[in-house]
Amino acid sequence: DAMVIQNPRYQVTQFGKPVTLSCSQTLNHNVMYWYQQKSSQAPKLLFHYYDKDFNNEADTPDNFQSRRPNTSFCFLDIRSPGLGDAAMYLCATSGGGAGVRETQYFGPGTRLLVL
Amino acid sequence: GQNIDQPTEMTATEGAIVQINCTYQTSGFNGLFWYQQHAGEAPTFLSYNVLDGLEEKGRFSSFLSRSKGYSYLLLKELQMKDSASYLCAVVRGGTYKYIFGTGTRLKVLA
Repeated sequence: DAMVIQNPRYQVTQFGKPVTLSCSQTLNHNVMYWYQQKSSQAPKLLFHYYDKDFNNEADTPDNFQSRRPNTSFCFLDIRSPGLGDAAMYLCATSGGGAGVRETQYFGPGTRLLVL
Repeated sequence: GQNIDQPTEMTATEGAIVQINCTYQTSGFNGLFWYQQHAGEAPTFLSYNVLDGLEEKGRFSSFLSRSKGYSYLLLKELQMKDSASYLCAVVRGGTYKYIFGTGTRLKVLA
């Protein structure tokens, strides 16, 4: 089945220790997104790629970086995780067309714990 | 400004009907999505509206009024498994970005 895959599902890191979360998709979608979601809150968009074009949200901290080496893969790098970065990180994809093609398909998420 | 409002929590009984409202104010509009999210899981797509009116899909229906900046999600014949958060998301015109509401946590009681 075509899908959005995130690894790992759970990640524990230490305060200040760099961590990388990965996302892959078999949908061949143009657009890939990274969201941060804290408990009982809406997903917060960090950045997105349309193909190789990177689009950062104005309020995304510099501590968060992303890479998209090819259509299928996208990575979220947290350079120096703080306690406030503990959250669920959701990867999503969309076709990038109009209308219902803008439906975003989410991966299962990576829950990050910072000790 | 941009704002999406949903009730924080709702409770309903198994077998009943519940309506979850969403009001929005955004600069540009290119469609409205409803997603279901179970605790600790990713959001899953439920419905999409871009024109005024009702879209029906089994037990779930979604309505949109663009002039009023208003949508609702209607869930019929509620089941225990419908206990989840329901997220309203608006696509800003000219972008691929969603603006999410904070979600409505629905509890279905036996």
